[in-house]
Amino acid sequence: NAGVTQTPKFQVLKTGQSMTLQCAQDMNHEYMSWYRQDPGMGLRLIHYSVGAGITDQGEVPNGYNVSRSTTEDFPLRLLSAAPSQTSVYFCASSRGSYNEQFFGPGTRLTVL
Amino acid sequence: GNSVTQMEGPVTLSEEAFLTINCTYTATGYPSLFWYVQYPGEGLQLLLKATKADDKGSNKGFEATYRKETTSFHLEKGSVQVSDSAVYFCALSDQGGGSNYKLTFGKGTLLTVNP
Repeated sequence: NAGVTQTPKFQVLKTGQSMTLQCAQDMNHEYMSWYRQDPGMGLRLIHYSVGAGITDQGEVPNGYNVSRSTTEDFPLRLLSAAPSQTSVYFCASSRGSYNEQFFGPGTRLTVL
Repeated sequence: GNSVTQMEGPVTLSEEAFLTINCTYTATGYPSLFWYVQYPGEGLQLLLKATKADDKGSNKGFEATYRKETTSFHLEKGSVQVSDSAVYFCALSDQGGGSNYKLTFGKGTLLTVNP
């Protein structure tokens, strides 16, 4: 099993550009989520999904969109990048509530 | 709402020293508690967990006990190694309020162990 994979590992954008961060898992997990990690802030939940076709907002959803058309994939879209979205983004998956969340290796995004 | 407060770092120790990283929480329901570890350049990995009061989670020499009376889940290790250098995150998953699937994280504590 590859576990949770994320692409790209690094990305530099200009303000106003859009892009999609990819996340995939091969563990047949129902629950997937996106977090951002900023210095001194810990991890903050952006969006999450409890199954294909179901998504919901987390703590910091503004400026991001998600969709979940398959169990395996959970892409995160930045609609119009802003410098405040410079961060490290982690995708995670789990079997369900109270279960261990498995994290991907992260995407380091810089918005100029 | 839910929150997790853990001691601020950085924490610098010599090899074989005793480690404690404090973690306290606020939750509306009956949370499960976790410690995650992040090694440099990597994603987070689950270190240990406890799902109910008085449970003790343990792994790789690390331990933490779920103390409901003090709302705490302190991480301890009797003898740290250089390879334990990492950022440690305390987190909770709360059963109540429709937030079953959400993890709330503390801000993380950077541990550096010197030889």
